[in-house]
Amino acid sequence: AQKITQTQPGMFVQEKEAVTLDCTYDTSDQSYGLFWYKQPSSGEMIFLIYQGSYDEQNATEGRYSLNFQKARKSANLVISASQLGDSAMYFCAMSPRGGPNTGNQFYFGTGTSLTVIP
Amino acid sequence: NAGVTQTPKFQVLKTGQSMTLQCAQDMNHEYMSWYRQDPGMGLRLIHYSVGAGITDQGEVPNGYNVSRSTTEDFPLRLLSAAPSQTSVYFCASSYNYLSLGNQPQHFGDGTRLSIL
Repeated sequence: AQKITQTQPGMFVQEKEAVTLDCTYDTSDQSYGLFWYKQPSSGEMIFLIYQGSYDEQNATEGRYSLNFQKARKSANLVISASQLGDSAMYFCAMSPRGGPNTGNQFYFGTGTSLTVIP
Repeated sequence: NAGVTQTPKFQVLKTGQSMTLQCAQDMNHEYMSWYRQDPGMGLRLIHYSVGAGITDQGEVPNGYNVSRSTTEDFPLRLLSAAPSQTSVYFCASSYNYLSLGNQPQHFGDGTRLSIL
């Protein structure tokens, strides 16, 4: 069974500081993808960053980076230089190796609410 | 470039009523899925489809029905609405894993549904 755990229901960070949002996962698959999404108060789901299980380098996208530790099964999101617009819910998701019947299934964590303080 | 379009954005139903949530995508994605989002529970998969004519159940399928007659459309039907189905519903689409490996899912803006 696939499981994603986000242990931080809420986080606060000072504007311009860096913050790390934790995500651990449990899977027996060797090939899988890890994703982070942002959900602002307006409700839409915004894709932020992707890490493949066989990628040797940690993924980066602008101010977002993914701290991938495969042996520990963790995929933490790091946001550098926080901005007020970063205040939102953040979801970690995992997609195991898909097949003809399962396609591209995602398993989501319960999310972390980030508040950026001016 | 519309992406994933969900209608309606808001809906209030009475217990026992039926309705269909519409979802359409214009990206030629094979994979489409429906999630419900409840406070403290993240997104849970209701049903998914790997292509036209093929659907399967996710984690929480009871009380919902889907069909996929075209690549573009993936409607979700509530057969007899219950208060426990009050939630925010998201439709998402992506290429299949077999096409391009792991791909991000593209989400619609959601439908906020209340059952009285």
